Amino acid sequence: NAGVTQTPKFRILKIGQSMTLQCTQDMNHNYMYWYRQDPGMGLKLIYYSVGAGITDKGEVPNGYNVSRSTTEDFPLRLELAAPSQTSVYFCASSSQGTNYGYTFGSGTRLTVV
Amino acid sequence: KQEVTQIPAALSVPEGENLVLNCSFTDSAIYNLQWFRQDPGKGLTSLLLIQSSQREQTSGRLNASLDKSSGRSTLYIAASQPGDSATYLCAVTTGANSKLTFGKGITLSVRP
Repeated sequence: NAGVTQTPKFRILKIGQSMTLQCTQDMNHNYMYWYRQDPGMGLKLIYYSVGAGITDKGEVPNGYNVSRSTTEDFPLRLELAAPSQTSVYFCASSSQGTNYGYTFGSGTRLTVV
Repeated sequence: KQEVTQIPAALSVPEGENLVLNCSFTDSAIYNLQWFRQDPGKGLTSLLLIQSSQREQTSGRLNASLDKSSGRSTLYIAASQPGDSATYLCAVTTGANSKLTFGKGITLSVRP
């Protein structure tokens, strides 16, 4: 059971470039989330989804887009990379309802230069 | 807006010591509280999940308590070991969509 898989693990982007961070889970979880973690700042929610076809903004959505065409996949898109988007990005999933904990991916370390 | 605070930001203790990590949150209307462990350069591993109706959860040498009315949780680590060195994050779920609000974490160093 793979859990939550994120690719790539590392990436360097130039300012203005675009890229998609991939996230896949094999636990049939309805809820999926994207967080970013900056040093000393904790994790902040970018976008989340409560099921296929449904997405919503989190605390820091500017500069990002998401889609959820299947239960398994929740890609995060950066259209015009900026240095402020240098961070570690984590994808997570949970089963529907608040009785269940989160499963996190191993993260994508992104540097924008 | 929910805010989660973890103080101190860093802690260094000798091996074998029992220790308590604190977490506080401003909005007591939570569904649950989770403690995570994060090793350097790695993802988050869930340690304990406490539902809002529960007072504590235990797993091995770890015990987490929850006092929802006062907005506090503690993570107790018994007989600390160097392998316990990591960052410990507290997070609460507020709202039906299970969104987590995280504290900034406590970086623990256990000296041999």
